[in-house]
Amino acid sequence: DTGVSQDPRHKITKRGQNVTFRCDPISEHNRLYWYRQTLGQGPEFLTYFQNEAQLEKSRLLSDRFSAERPKGSFSTLEIQRTEQGDSAMYLCASSPEGNQPQHFGDGTRLSIL
Amino acid sequence: RKEVEQDPGPFNVPEGATVAFNCTYSNSASQSFFWYRQDCRKEPKLLMSVYSSGNEDGRFTAQLNRASQYISLLIRDSKLSDSATYLCVVNAPGSARQLTFGSGTQLTVLP
Repeated sequence: DTGVSQDPRHKITKRGQNVTFRCDPISEHNRLYWYRQTLGQGPEFLTYFQNEAQLEKSRLLSDRFSAERPKGSFSTLEIQRTEQGDSAMYLCASSPEGNQPQHFGDGTRLSIL
Repeated sequence: RKEVEQDPGPFNVPEGATVAFNCTYSNSASQSFFWYRQDCRKEPKLLMSVYSSGNEDGRFTAQLNRASQYISLLIRDSKLSDSATYLCVVNAPGSARQLTFGSGTQLTVLP
């Protein structure tokens, strides 16, 4: 499968714990995006990388959230001191240059107890 | 006002029916438009891009009206497998490259 892959698929953790998610984009895509989706809503943009550079961050991305893409390939999204409101599906997408459609991974479903 | 607005539905239609979804967007400088489909508890998948002249892909037809900032999706001869949430998506210009999603329109095709 050469699509976008995300790990883990599901994460259940207690409030206050730190969690880290991984995304492996389609190999020839230099753009990588993170979104968050809650029930009944469309995905909401969190952050965007072009190669290893993080070029845009949403105001939704509080200081408890950090994302990296150190070698311009895979990316990680870390949430520190998780809160109940962090429960959501975290989606990663990638795209090539230009106004090309984004392709999404299966997502990581986070549940905070 | 939301950046991308859709009728949430649900739309419940019989097999074989024609159904249309509408979407409006607020940023007049938007340049790229898409319809994505999302099955329950799955990731969004690209259904089709939307071009200024309108475009068709099999049973699906997308239209764009830039003057009214309006996008539509028409599904003809609907199938049970068309049951899903349809997301209207706009890619605004500028330094950001993120997609702005509507909340989605839920479609159920009934046997």
